[in-house]
Amino acid sequence: EDQVTQSPEALRLQEGESSSLNCSYTVSGLRGLFWYRQDPGKGPEFLFTLYSAGEEKEKERLKATLTKKESFLHITAPKPEDSATYLCAVSGGSEKLVFGKGTKLTVNP
Amino acid sequence: GAGVSQTPSNKVTEKGKYVELRCDPISGHTALYWYRQSLGQGPEFLIYFQGTGAADDSGLPNDRFFAVRPEGSVSTLKIQRTERGDSAVYLCASSPGRSSYNEQFFGPGTRLTVL
Repeated sequence: EDQVTQSPEALRLQEGESSSLNCSYTVSGLRGLFWYRQDPGKGPEFLFTLYSAGEEKEKERLKATLTKKESFLHITAPKPEDSATYLCAVSGGSEKLVFGKGTKLTVNP
Repeated sequence: GAGVSQTPSNKVTEKGKYVELRCDPISGHTALYWYRQSLGQGPEFLIYFQGTGAADDSGLPNDRFFAVRPEGSVSTLKIQRTERGDSAVYLCASSPGRSSYNEQFFGPGTRLTVL
C-alpha cells in the first residue's frame, strides 16, 4: 500500500529564515511525486511534479528535490505570504493520488 | 481560463438526509476525481472517472456514496442517509488525461456538515 509521511507537522519561521519540509514515501512503482500548497478554506494548488530521483524543480522561493525514498521542499528567505499548508502526494500503480497529512508553515514578519 | 468549480460551497444537512454535490471540471479534461478531506488530514481518494465511466471507485467508504458523470463533463457525488461522520470537505479535481504522470487541478471544495 502506498504511503506518504510528512514532517514536521507544523513549522514556524521568521521572515527570511530558510528551511526544508520533508516528504517520505513508499510506493510500488513511482510515477510522480506532487507538491501542493493549500490555504485555509481553499482547495490544494499545484506547485510541482517530480518523476525520477535526482530531479529538481524551482519556483520563486521554493525548490523541490527527489530521492528514491523522500522529497524535500526547500524554502529560501520565506515571506509571510508563504504561510500555508504544504501537501505531498504520490502516484503509483493506480490513477489516484495518495497524500500525506501536510506541513503547516507559518512565517512571521 | 476557468478552473474547477464546485457547488455548493457549503452544505448543512441533518442526519439521515440525502445530499448532492456538484463538480464542473476544467473544460476538455477527461479525468475527474473526488476526494474527501477531514480536518488536519490530507485529501483521501474516493472515486476516479475517465470520461463517463467510473474507472476506480475503490475509495468510496460504503454503498451510501455514489457518483455519476453522465456526459463526461460535470459530475455529481451523491450521499444517501447522511451520518455525522460524513462531515468533511469534499474536493473535486480534474486532469487532462490519465493522471499517473499528470498533475490534478483541484476545486475549492464543498464543506459538508451533518448535524
